[in-house]
Amino acid sequence: DAKTTQPTSMDCAEGRAANLPCNHSTISGNEYVYWYRQIHSQGPQYIIHGLKNNETNEMASLIITEDRKSSTLILPHATLRDTAVYYCIVRVFHHGSGGSNYKLTFGKGTLLTVNP
Amino acid sequence: EAQVTQNPRYLITVTGKKLTVTCSQNMNHEYMSWYRQDPGLGLRQIYYSMNVEVTDKGDVPEGYKVSRKEKRNFPLILESPSPNQTSLYFCASSPPRTPPQYFGPGTRLTVL
Repeated sequence: DAKTTQPTSMDCAEGRAANLPCNHSTISGNEYVYWYRQIHSQGPQYIIHGLKNNETNEMASLIITEDRKSSTLILPHATLRDTAVYYCIVRVFHHGSGGSNYKLTFGKGTLLTVNP
Repeated sequence: EAQVTQNPRYLITVTGKKLTVTCSQNMNHEYMSWYRQDPGLGLRQIYYSMNVEVTDKGDVPEGYKVSRKEKRNFPLILESPSPNQTSLYFCASSPPRTPPQYFGPGTRLTVL
């Protein structure tokens, strides 16, 4: 399984861009990078995913380096409601008796605190 | 509204008393899974299901059972709960060939 490394915590001022880094130096060629967030004890929320091209949706942008060994999640205008733990995950495939398991392995993530 | 629902949201029970946590999704997703979340251990997968009547073990299946008789429902069964199953549980679902994209609100279980 490709392992990810994220800073434990980060701060961001409200209205500014939040840039959350993630290292995944052992990622293999067909593994995607997924980002989720979890607001205190709520269910994780899917944000975005990508393979090698940069991606953007209504929530965020994902920048993946050309060698794919790291990525950055960008929240362009952070609000107080964006305060959460953000998880960078490399998708793992496991073939069980039930077929492929799109299991997610959640690490400790980055606690992003958006300050007024 | 697309959603995954879980019931109950909170439960306090005693050792050995069988319980079921229900999970239901309204998106016609084939893939569903259960995770538990414990401090310092992150989320760990308990069981998953690729489709009706197709289930398999995740990383921490001991002490749990699941069933998938209908596409929308994926209940988690604790036949004889023990204190080490005290945890926050999440159900998740997703379209085919994608990791979980919708998580339920969580069920906080305490086993005394």
